[in-house]
Amino acid sequence: NAGVTQTPKFQVLKTGQSMTLQCAQDMNHNSMYWYRQDPGMGLRLIYYSASEGTTDKGEVPNGYNVSRLNKREFSLRLESAAPSQTSVYFCASSEFSFPDYGYTFGSGTRLTVV
Amino acid sequence: DAKTTQPNSMESNEEEPVHLPCNHSTISGTDYIHWYRQLPSQGPEYVIHGLTSNVNNRMASLAIAEDRKSSTLILHRATLRDAAVYYCIRTGGGADGLTFGKGTHLIIQP
Repeated sequence: NAGVTQTPKFQVLKTGQSMTLQCAQDMNHNSMYWYRQDPGMGLRLIYYSASEGTTDKGEVPNGYNVSRLNKREFSLRLESAAPSQTSVYFCASSEFSFPDYGYTFGSGTRLTVV
Repeated sequence: DAKTTQPNSMESNEEEPVHLPCNHSTISGTDYIHWYRQLPSQGPEYVIHGLTSNVNNRMASLAIAEDRKSSTLILHRATLRDAAVYYCIRTGGGADGLTFGKGTHLIIQP
């Protein structure tokens, strides 16, 4: 099925470890996004990439880096994980500057930092 | 600032219509209203969107007030699978992402 694929689905890290969350979409969308969702909260934007070759900070970028590897792939890296980064991470994609198009979300990566 | 206001939770019975309200009193003339829902342990899912006119699709209907300061998502015949958190989001349509509030937790009773 077409859509947004995230890997891994679950991960446990120790404080200070690093890891990269992977995201790929096969809908030829220009824009891609990383969100985090804490318990009982709405999603908060970490970083986004409006088009291939560009990235911008969202609401909560501290402690994260991103790479737009190509049009399909957008990765999120935690260089030194902290317990405050325990969350569910969602990747999404959409068409650029078209409000008529909805966003498509992946199924999430559940990350625990101990 | 999510820029929209929704009730924290609502409850309805299976096979009955559900009307989910949303206030967006500071909406600009070019902002669209989008609705997403999030089922338990899943990512958000697009439901419907609109600008000025009422909209219908296979999932729901969207009724937008004439002054555009509020809107209502209508599920015509709720099922247990409609139990989810529903987010009302206003967006200018740029590529800078969606701003989510806490949404409305919809509970469906059998």
